[in-house]
Amino acid sequence: GQNIDQPTEMTATEGAIVQINCTYQTSGFNGLFWYQQHAGEAPTFLSYNVLDGLEEKGRFSSFLSRSKGYSYLLLKELQMKDSASYLCAVSGTGGFKTIFGAGTRLFVKA
Amino acid sequence: DSGVTQTPKHLITATGQRVTLRCSPRSGDLSVYWYQQSLDQGLQFLIQYYNGEERAKGNILERFSAQQFPDLHSELNLSSLELGDSALYFCASSADGLAGGLQDTQYFGPGTRLTVL
Repeated sequence: GQNIDQPTEMTATEGAIVQINCTYQTSGFNGLFWYQQHAGEAPTFLSYNVLDGLEEKGRFSSFLSRSKGYSYLLLKELQMKDSASYLCAVSGTGGFKTIFGAGTRLFVKA
Repeated sequence: DSGVTQTPKHLITATGQRVTLRCSPRSGDLSVYWYQQSLDQGLQFLIQYYNGEERAKGNILERFSAQQFPDLHSELNLSSLELGDSALYFCASSADGLAGGLQDTQYFGPGTRLTVL
């Protein structure tokens, strides 16, 4: 079956670095997405990985290992506004729809 | 602004009633998705349309139905409403939704907050 696992909650300190992990088991793989969702707002697209390795985009980086079914989102120089839920989503092949994980709620404290 | 519009922003209604939520996708996007998100819960996928045809179905109740029109806008109809249907309903669109990959990036509308009293 299809399954995506992420930690439920994490807490980090302003200015620090935090890594949010995501493991997945899906029938077919055609890319992994990370989205950010502030409370009561719509999810917004952060990153996309389809090949193994690290993709860097400013303070945010995303890593993928297809053989391990594993990804992480790395947030550097944390700011209070980074307090949000981070959703991992996997796009499959053969008509398989994109599946979202339950999300990791990140709390950034001063 | 994602380019996806949803109306109305807020909807308050009573149990047993029927409501229609509307979504206009980003210009050029062919796929439309509907999600339900209850308070402090994850996104629950309801249904996907691609160019007017139903493409994938999630845990959508029989009381709920949707369609995508020739101009690609979509409507989600919720009937015989129950208290538990109170939630944020998001619409998202993507360029494709069939090929997979980056073209499956979903852009979300601001959502419709439904309150059933």
